Parts: sequence; structure tokens; C-alpha cells
Amino acid sequence: EVQLVESEGRWIRPGGSLRLSCAVSGFTFRSFSMNWFRQAPGKGLEWVSYISDSGRTTYYADSVKGRFIISRDNAKSSLFLQMSSLRAEDSAVYYCARAVVVSYSSGERSDYWGQGSLVLVSS
Amino acid sequence: DIQMTQSPSSLSASVGDSVTITCRASQGIRNDLAWFQQIPGKAPKSLIYAASSLQNGVPSKFSGSGSGTYFTLTISSLQPEDFATYYCQQYNAFPHTFGRGTKLELK
Repeated sequence: EVQLVESEGRWIRPGGSLRLSCAVSGFTFRSFSMNWFRQAPGKGLEWVSYISDSGRTTYYADSVKGRFIISRDNAKSSLFLQMSSLRAEDSAVYYCARAVVVSYSSGERSDYWGQGSLVLVSS
Repeated sequence: DIQMTQSPSSLSASVGDSVTITCRASQGIRNDLAWFQQIPGKAPKSLIYAASSLQNGVPSKFSGSGSGTYFTLTISSLQPEDFATYYCQQYNAFPHTFGRGTKLELK
């Protein structure tokens, strides 16, 4: 069974840093790209960051570029999101999700998602 | 960035009804379109990918269609567990963008 489990969220002051993790099981982690998404309270879904299976390719939403870093440890089947210079607008539930290639010429869709980790940035 | 315009933003229906939600992309995305269902307090659940392919385990009452810039999600024979919020998402190009969601409510 595919499982993705994010670390517990927490409350943090503006300007602070936090590292989220996502432990996966039930599939060969090193063979799949991964995404982070987030959802602010009462709002819609927002893609945050992508990392390829090898970790060599990463992408970021403009809203987090330069502040967040995505990484992975394939030996430990774990995905990470290092968040720094946190702002109130970063408050959200953060989800990790597996990315799957649909076909040779298509993009990678997100199929399995974790249960989410709530991050609250407030003074 | 590719903008996804989803409509309606909310929809009232009764058990047994069929409903259709639409999603328009600001530029062509071939069929790189997914639909998700989200129940409050839960993670999004994949329903449809590649515009019309059903995710494993999802009942056939959910169907998707479209290509290029116009897409639809149809849910037939609504049951109580179907009342949730639905999102479209394009994965043709980064940033992967979502529609604003359609909240399906019980009439």
C-alpha cells in the first residue's frame, strides 16, 4: 500500500525556519519524482515545489523561490522541504505527493498524497 | 503561468442528480489535466488524469472529457459521499496550476 506521511506541523514566528519531511512506503521512492503542495486555511490548492527522481532537477513556485529548498534522501525514502524566512502567508497545510509519468509526451501528474502537515506562521 | 478557470464555484444538487463542472486553460495543455476531490479536513484524492482516464479504484460514475483548453468533469447519480469540493489541475507546465474549486452542496 502506498503511504506518504508528513512530519507534524507546528506554529512558528515570522522570519523563522522549519523543515518538513515526508516518509514514504509502498513504492520504490528513488524511481519517482515528488511534489509539495499547500492549502491555506479555507483556500484552494497551490503547487509549491517539484524534485526529480534523482534530485538533480527542482522547480519552485515564485511565491517561495529563494526561501524554500526541496530535497530528498532516496536511501531513506524521504522527501524534505526546508522553509526559511517564513511569512504569515506561508501558513497552510502542506502536502507531499508522488509524481507519475502518464505517457512519454505528457507531464507528470500527482497521484498519491500525504495527509498533510499544518504550518502556522504567526507572531 | 497557465491560468485554470473553473466553473461554477459552487453547485447545489440532490441525491441522484448528475452534475458537470468545467475547467478552461488559458493556453493549450493537450490532455495534461487532472481532477481531484477533497473532503473537508482530508487530502485531495485523485479522480481523473489525462483528462479522461479514471484513477484506479474510482467508480465509473466519475467521467472526464476534453483536450486543449476546455475540460469537463461529470458526476452521475450523486450519492451523499460525493458532496465535496472538486479541483482541476494542469500538469502540462510548471507551475502546475489549479482551478479555484467547485463546492458541490446538497440541495
